Parts: sequence; C-alpha cells; structure tokens
Amino acid sequence: GAVVSQHPSRVICKSGTSVKIECRSLDFQATTMFWYRQFPKQSLMLMATSNEGSKATYEQGVEKDKFLINHASLTLSTLTVTSAHPEDSSFYICSARDGSRDRAYNEQFFGPGTRLTVL
Amino acid sequence: GEDVEQSLFLSVREGDSSVINCTYTDSSSTYLYWYKQEPGAGLQLLTYIFSNMDMKQDQRLTVLLNKKDKHLSLRIADTQTGDSAIYFCAEIRGQGGKLIFGQGTELSVKP
Repeated sequence: GAVVSQHPSRVICKSGTSVKIECRSLDFQATTMFWYRQFPKQSLMLMATSNEGSKATYEQGVEKDKFLINHASLTLSTLTVTSAHPEDSSFYICSARDGSRDRAYNEQFFGPGTRLTVL
Repeated sequence: GEDVEQSLFLSVREGDSSVINCTYTDSSSTYLYWYKQEPGAGLQLLTYIFSNMDMKQDQRLTVLLNKKDKHLSLRIADTQTGDSAIYFCAEIRGQGGKLIFGQGTELSVKP
C-alpha cells in the first residue's frame, strides 16, 4: 500500500508553454501533499505544501504565480508550471501524507518524479 | 546553520560496511529519516528514528543518533552492489511537518 504516482514521468516543452504535472495517491487519502524540486546531484528543495481544499503554502522564494498548485481532492494534487523557461527544467517530485493512518513518525510517500525539460 | 549536511560521496567494496553521516540543525525535530534514491526515481523511506532513541537496528541497517552533537549516521552492513544509490537524511521541522533534506550522499559499491 501507500503508492504515489506522478504523470507524466517526462515532459519536454517549448519555452513559454505551460505544463501540468499530476500527483496521485493510489490507495490512500492524502490530506497533505508536498511538491519538491531537485536539480542534478542536489538535494530536494521543498516548493510548497498543499492541504486538500485549501490554498497551498509556498516556501520563501517560490513564485506562486509561476508554480500553481491545486489540491482539489484527497487523492490528487497538480503542479502547473506556467510560461515555462529553460531555468525551470528540473526533476519535480511530489509526496503525500496519509492522514488516516496513525503513523506517529509522519511518513511521507514519494512519487517517482517528473523530469521537465524546457527548450 | 540552517542546513542539514552530509558528505557527498562514499565508495566501498562489496561486503564491507558503509557508514553515512549527517548533521542536522533543529534540536526539536521529533523524527529523523534516511531515504534512498535510485537514479531517476523518487525517494524510498529506508528507516527513521525517534529523537528519544540513541540507536535503531533494522536488518542490515543501523541508525545512530547523537542528540547532543545533532549527528545522525546510517550504517549498512554487508553492502551490496544493489545498495548503490543516493542516501538522504532528513529532519522534520515546524508544525506543518516539513522535511528538510541533506544534500545526499552518493554511495558507490564496487564488486
């Protein structure tokens, strides 16, 4: 159990277009989802935290108009990179927390990531 | 400082033990974690330790926690080539339960 999927796994787009990435919890209800960005050979940087039905909380330095996050249901969150540019090229990873389980250690389940390349 | 820090590379021979070290910053972190990332993939939780514990053992994995020095280590016994990956330590911060990751240690296991 506790599987998180992301779609697409890879996307290549032209500069100026918008790209939507989906994150789904397949067998649990995710009350909270997180979006991370990872550059090659670097750590994961938290971009935003989203709770179902409310606005996402963005980390300092992350443009909320650039990276639109929607968490409309307990199993789906989307990240839309608007007007993408080459510097937005990165590996985007989501994670989800299962609010129904009594997991005191606060486990987040990670998706497999989406590789975005902006030409 | 603000960062969770790890050494970037570790190379060991198959069958040896690997020890990956991490220093964290938030003394109020309730849990500390070790994640494994294989190339092009997401993160897999390997193990975690509660902050009131000094040690946790789980099969080939041993986690040691020194709260005074804010130092965390992961020991992998009998390291195999399949253990080659990037290992991240992470601490949890704040009410929202944000995970703050180290830079990752790339473990290379040579046959």
